[in-house]
Amino acid sequence: EAQVTQNPRYLITVTGKKLTVTCSQNMNHEYMSWYRQDPGLGLRQIYYSMNVEVTDKGDVPEGYKVSRKEKRNFPLILESPSPNQTSLYFCASSLGLRANTEAFFGQGTRLTVV
Amino acid sequence: DAKTTQPNSMESNEEEPVHLPCNHSTISGTDYIHWYRQLPSQGPEYVIHGLTSNVNNRMASLAIAEDRKSSTLILHRATLRDAAVYYCIPTTGNQFYFGTGTSLTVIP
Repeated sequence: EAQVTQNPRYLITVTGKKLTVTCSQNMNHEYMSWYRQDPGLGLRQIYYSMNVEVTDKGDVPEGYKVSRKEKRNFPLILESPSPNQTSLYFCASSLGLRANTEAFFGQGTRLTVV
Repeated sequence: DAKTTQPNSMESNEEEPVHLPCNHSTISGTDYIHWYRQLPSQGPEYVIHGLTSNVNNRMASLAIAEDRKSSTLILHRATLRDAAVYYCIPTTGNQFYFGTGTSLTVIP
């Protein structure tokens, strides 16, 4: 089954404690991205990657890092989480950077930073 | 990026058709019009997309105005499972700019 898998689904952490949210897709997609969703603000893109070793900032990249060492994985790293990073995070993948394709989203990771 | 305008909320009776409108008057000539929906506690889910012609798939139909400044997502028979937030997203690439969408309530 084609899917994007995020882990963990829920995470509560303390300010400053480094964490990684993993994202994996099984569709051999080139393009992957991370979004955060906050009430009243919709989904906003954090980072995206057009292929292995190619990453770029989205609209709200501050406080986040990503890496793309393998095509299937695109982890989101919070080196020093802060309470304003409490949010619902989604990973997405698609075949390429073309508008004529559909994107697949993960189930989400709800992060709380206290 | 094209700005979109969608109703904040709509209601439909179960098993009746639903027409979800979207205005995107600043759309560029190369923007595809995508529709995604987000069910409660889930990630966004692809519904349909098109460029100029009307499109049909197993989930829905997409009617695109001739001037491309608006489009309508049509659910032919709403079910309770269709209760979700529906996002209309014009895009030339894969950077999706999600607005606040239309929250669809389906009444049994």
